[in-house]
Amino acid sequence: RKEVEQDPGPFNVPEGATVAFNCTYSNSASQSFFWYRQDCRKEPKLLMSVYSSGNEDGRFTAQLNRASQYISLLIRDSKLSDSATYLCAVSYSGGYNKLIFGAGTRLAVHP
Amino acid sequence: ETGVTQTPRHLVMGMTNKKSLKCEQHLGHNAMYWYKQSAKKPLELMFVYNFKEQTENNSVPSRFSPECPNSSHLFLHLHTLQPEDSALYLCASSQETIGTDTQYFGPGTRLTVL
Repeated sequence: RKEVEQDPGPFNVPEGATVAFNCTYSNSASQSFFWYRQDCRKEPKLLMSVYSSGNEDGRFTAQLNRASQYISLLIRDSKLSDSATYLCAVSYSGGYNKLIFGAGTRLAVHP
Repeated sequence: ETGVTQTPRHLVMGMTNKKSLKCEQHLGHNAMYWYKQSAKKPLELMFVYNFKEQTENNSVPSRFSPECPNSSHLFLHLHTLQPEDSALYLCASSQETIGTDTQYFGPGTRLTVL
């Protein structure tokens, strides 16, 4: 089983739609959780960290479910500019900051 | 921009060549990382440096040799690579190697091995 799994997509949605991605992780010792955005042929950029209580940043909402070992990302009112690959990443406590990434979910927002 | 630069941005090399990738961060961070991203695969952590000391070698073949002369610079020396080593090589940095520290990525070097 992969340590971090994501549905590769693509998710094709019209502008204005609401879309949600899930990401499951296998190691219950995972401590920190992140969503990154990666545009085609560019580097990943941090979209948001995911906190236990859930957090929101504008149109983006991230949630963590430790019992079921998954994190989610909800995008409301999708824009064309949201088209990208969304990577989830988890890190473990102790030692050092070893981020384990999922393979990413591709989102395509169309007019 | 994120404050992490990488050179060169593109590199084509033969299997017998020796080349080096360079990463520089201008964020005052103490930890630096090398990742490999192959097509349709997750980013794979290769090496971690914290305060210039290597703290992780993720079973990377010896044809990849990292060097960290100071907290701002990180190199990846390449020799006798294989075609399957063709990938995007990303450098990242974070304040330290604490799990909650955000990692900031450079633009990457797209490597093609012929």
